[in-house]
Formats: sequence, C-alpha cells, structure tokens
Amino acid sequence: GAVVSQHPSRVICKSGTSVKIECRSLDFQATTMFWYRQFPKKSLMLMATSNEGSKATYEQGVEKDKFLINHASLTLSTLTVTSAHPEDSSFYICSARDEGHSGYTFGSGTRLTVV
Amino acid sequence: GESVGLHLPTLSVQEGDNSIINCAYSNSASDYFIWYKQESGKGPQFIIDIRSNMDKRQGQRVTVLLNKTVKHLSLQIAATQPGDSAVYFCAENKAQAGTALIFGKGTTLSVSS
Repeated sequence: GAVVSQHPSRVICKSGTSVKIECRSLDFQATTMFWYRQFPKKSLMLMATSNEGSKATYEQGVEKDKFLINHASLTLSTLTVTSAHPEDSSFYICSARDEGHSGYTFGSGTRLTVV
Repeated sequence: GESVGLHLPTLSVQEGDNSIINCAYSNSASDYFIWYKQESGKGPQFIIDIRSNMDKRQGQRVTVLLNKTVKHLSLQIAATQPGDSAVYFCAENKAQAGTALIFGKGTTLSVSS
C-alpha cells in the first residue's frame, strides 16, 4: 500500500530557530500533499495544500511566512517553521493521496516542542 | 465555515460489545467520506471509506453507514477489542484531485476488558 514517511518524529528546538519537517511518498508520486496541525485532544486542522512545482495554498489564518512549504519533487514536501516560538509547539502531520488509488495516506507525525 | 463534526467526544464500551460512533457533516457538496483511527502520538490510520453514491459499506469488523438526507455518517465496530481503543475521526471532501480532507472533532473510544 501507499506509504508516507515523515521525519523527524519529534524535535525540540530553541525559540527563534527554524525547524524543517520532511514528508516523503515512498512508493508513489504525489503532485499534492497536505499539512495539518493538531493540538492535544483536538482534531486535525488543515494548514496548507502543497503543490509540486508551484506555490502552496494556505488556509485562512495560517501565516505563509511563518510556515514555509516547499514541494520541489513529486515525492517530497517540506514544512519549515521559521523563527519558532513556544506557541508553535504542536503535532504536525502530512498527508498525500495516491491518485491511482482511493484514500489518503498520512505520515506518522512530528511532535515539535519549542523551548 | 462548513465542517464535519462528531456527536460524542467519548465512548466507553466493554470488550465484545458493538460500538457505534457518529458524525454529522454540513457540506452537502461532499461526496467522499473516510473514517480514521488515531492512536496517541501517531498519524491517522485509514479504516474505511464510502462515496456518496452508497449508503453502506462493510469491511472487516467495521461498517460505515451514510445517510445523505440528514447528513449523517456512522462507524460500527463489531466485537470491540481493547486494541480498538483510540480516537476516531470522520473526514470528508469532494472527490476531486488536489482537495484536502476536512476532519471532524473526534471520538475517543475506550474499551475495557
């Protein structure tokens, strides 16, 4: 089945630094990937849609300069949290859809803690 | 905005019981629905999906029911096991390329032995 690999699984960084999260589709190509954010005991909130070779589409209220998305190839999308602050601490999850099959596959998530 | 929501935040059952988890959606344009299971610290895991041209779909121990008249979705788990304990989310979208899933609020299922 379709597999999405997300790395790192957890990261701790200092305030003011930037953190990059990678999302890879391992056995399929994904022209579109999706980034979600999840707070404790809450649902997944869509942050942005990552489009291969073009700019990402951000949801209302999500700062594009804060959460930089790059989708340079058909198998890799990256989310960079720039100048991270403690309020950016959260669980970030990526997703991709294998257009050859129904259903969306999710990465295992990245636990970001900003201290 | 339009979103998918769940009726109950928690559900506690005994091992061996059948579980029913409900979800209401408001976007009448949605035509694809999925149930996901999420364990603590992990990404969502696909359980079962259904398209709007169906009202029922069965998998292994799970059944999804779709009532488009009242915009209601449910997940039935037969013979619930302790390993079924997790948070369950329904998600919806329009089945076209490039569209993201929108998630409901989630129901925490607790199964006791």
